[in-house]
Amino acid sequence: DTAVSQTPKYLVTQMGNDKSIKCEQNLGHDTMYWYKQDSKKFLKIMFSYNNKELIINETVPNRFSPKSPDKAHLNLHINSLELGDSAVYFCASSQPPASAFFGQGTRLTVV
Amino acid sequence: AQRVTQPEKLLSVFKGAPVELKCNYSYSGSPELFWYVQYSRQRLQLLLRHISRESIKGFTADLNKGETSFHLKKPFAQEEDSAMYYCALATGTDKLIFGTGTRLQVFP
Repeated sequence: DTAVSQTPKYLVTQMGNDKSIKCEQNLGHDTMYWYKQDSKKFLKIMFSYNNKELIINETVPNRFSPKSPDKAHLNLHINSLELGDSAVYFCASSQPPASAFFGQGTRLTVV
Repeated sequence: AQRVTQPEKLLSVFKGAPVELKCNYSYSGSPELFWYVQYSRQRLQLLLRHISRESIKGFTADLNKGETSFHLKKPFAQEEDSAMYYCALATGTDKLIFGTGTRLQVFP
């Protein structure tokens, strides 16, 4: 069974649309993250949740809204998509101080 | 400020050559450091962590607190080592921050 799974794997959408990416982990971890990997492969943390509570919200437009219905899920909703939002979004989970496990990524393309 | 710096965006070597991917960190507390690897179009996966002091796929990394470094080394690079390598720093319990990554290209 996949430890951290994201859906969808690919997402192509038009500017201005609203879309969601879902993430689920079956590891029993308390902490989940969203990362953005841009075209240059830079990896930047967006959000961190610990036991359903938002811990970290880096400088991210408020069009991005994470939601954690329970500690196994951390979804990312994006409003009014822009061209610059095109990237690969990775979900991850960890049980600190252990290392993080990553999902396979969601390649978002905004056209 | 908490920061991870990987000064090289690209490192190109020939097969059999030694490799060193540099990582420096900035953190006032006791650091937990990791190296992650991302092969082409795959998810990031843990390569090694400093606490384990292990060698994975021939790679080693030593934490040098004096120089605030955690460089990744391998004595003889292989073509299958070609990938993106990320150094990561865990601060406290809720934050895992990454360097910008170094692309390693190993030529035959």
